[in-house]
Amino acid sequence: AQSVAQPEDQVNVAEGNPLTVKCTYSVSGNPYLFWYVQYPNRGLQFLLKYITGDNLVKGSYGFEAEFNKSQTSFHLKKPSALVSDSALYFCAVRALLTGNQFYFGTGTSLTVIP
Amino acid sequence: GAGVSQSPSNKVTEKGKDVELRCDPISGHTALYWYRQSLGQGLEFLIYFQGNSAPDKSGLPSDRFSAERTGGSVSTLTIQRTQQEDSAVYLCASSWGLAGQETQYFGPGTRLLVL
Repeated sequence: AQSVAQPEDQVNVAEGNPLTVKCTYSVSGNPYLFWYVQYPNRGLQFLLKYITGDNLVKGSYGFEAEFNKSQTSFHLKKPSALVSDSALYFCAVRALLTGNQFYFGTGTSLTVIP
Repeated sequence: GAGVSQSPSNKVTEKGKDVELRCDPISGHTALYWYRQSLGQGLEFLIYFQGNSAPDKSGLPSDRFSAERTGGSVSTLTIQRTQQEDSAVYLCASSWGLAGQETQYFGPGTRLLVL
């Protein structure tokens, strides 16, 4: 079965500290991996994606993520958190071998404490 | 430019009534997705449209749910005989590009409450 897991419902980090939001996946074949962010009362916005090539992907707002095939992970990171990064983060995966579905995780609520 | 729009933004209905939710994708986007987001849950895939191809309906939870996309643009998600468990936020997303690799652009959602 294809799935995405975000093991932490809530992550708290102090402003200026590095942040990590975890994501692991299970798909058949090569995965395409995505991170989206949902700010309060707003729609989901694309952050970054991994399709192929360099395992370290850089995206919007200073975020980056590293594809680790052996650990089937795609953790989202940022070197220095901002209060404005507080939001709900979703990891998603798709593999062409498994049809048209994107599989989304249950989301991780990130709170950056001033 | 204009993003994905959805209407209504909120819908309250009584159990057993039918509802229609509308999605206007970004012009030129060939793919359109419907998802359901319930409290504490991830996004649940419902249906996928790509160009003129037959839609992928594999995510629809029951035959009370249906969707159509007219002229390759606007899409309507219909829920017949609504149940309380249908209460959720219904999200629409559109995209273009290589299938599976494309970035999805999401609308603000329709929050449905079934009393």
